Amino acid sequence: ELKVEQNPLFLSMQEGKNYTIYCNYSTTSDRLYWYRQDPGKSLESLFVLLSNGAVKQEGRLMASLDTKARLSTLHITAAVHDLSATYFCAVVGNTGKLIFGQGTTLQVKP
Amino acid sequence: GAVVSQHPSWVICKSGTSVKIECRSLDFQATTMFWYRQFPKQSLMLMATSNEGSKATYEQGVEKDKFLINHASLTLSTLTVTSAHPEDSSFYICSGGRGNYGYTFGSGTRLTVV
Repeated sequence: ELKVEQNPLFLSMQEGKNYTIYCNYSTTSDRLYWYRQDPGKSLESLFVLLSNGAVKQEGRLMASLDTKARLSTLHITAAVHDLSATYFCAVVGNTGKLIFGQGTTLQVKP
Repeated sequence: GAVVSQHPSWVICKSGTSVKIECRSLDFQATTMFWYRQFPKQSLMLMATSNEGSKATYEQGVEKDKFLINHASLTLSTLTVTSAHPEDSSFYICSGGRGNYGYTFGSGTRLTVV
């Protein structure tokens, strides 16, 4: 059974600082997604990572994938308050189901 | 881009009544629709997977007679919560599978059972 684990689950950081969210998964997969969720809202797609060594960047967020280690990271550079949200990684299982990590709630303080 | 329209956005119902949630794929054919439930401050938990024209597949622990899923066409899937109780209060989100093009999520339905 595919399991997806994120850490940390909660992250409070100062504006301007850097930090990394980690996502581990238990079985091989050919796709990993990162999503953002604001309170009371649905999911906003951030990145899809398809292959080992894939790296994608959008603004202050950069995601990477190591399929051998079954690990993805979401790196935040010089955080700003607008990045405050909950971030989920999700992995596609062999049945096509998308399984989510627990989520990481990011709070960026001025 | 691909859009899944989910309605209603929120609903309040009395305990014991049934509620139907609709998800329509507006500009693509969703052969597969996934239904998730999210409790406050928790992750999305997959409830069931539906394929157009066939019975839904439910995840372990999800009561199929309570959460009725219909996927009668390539653009419409519905989730009916039957005999709702306060513990069914949650945020329900559908997601249309687009094969190699990923997943498109609906905007979610906040269900409150009183």
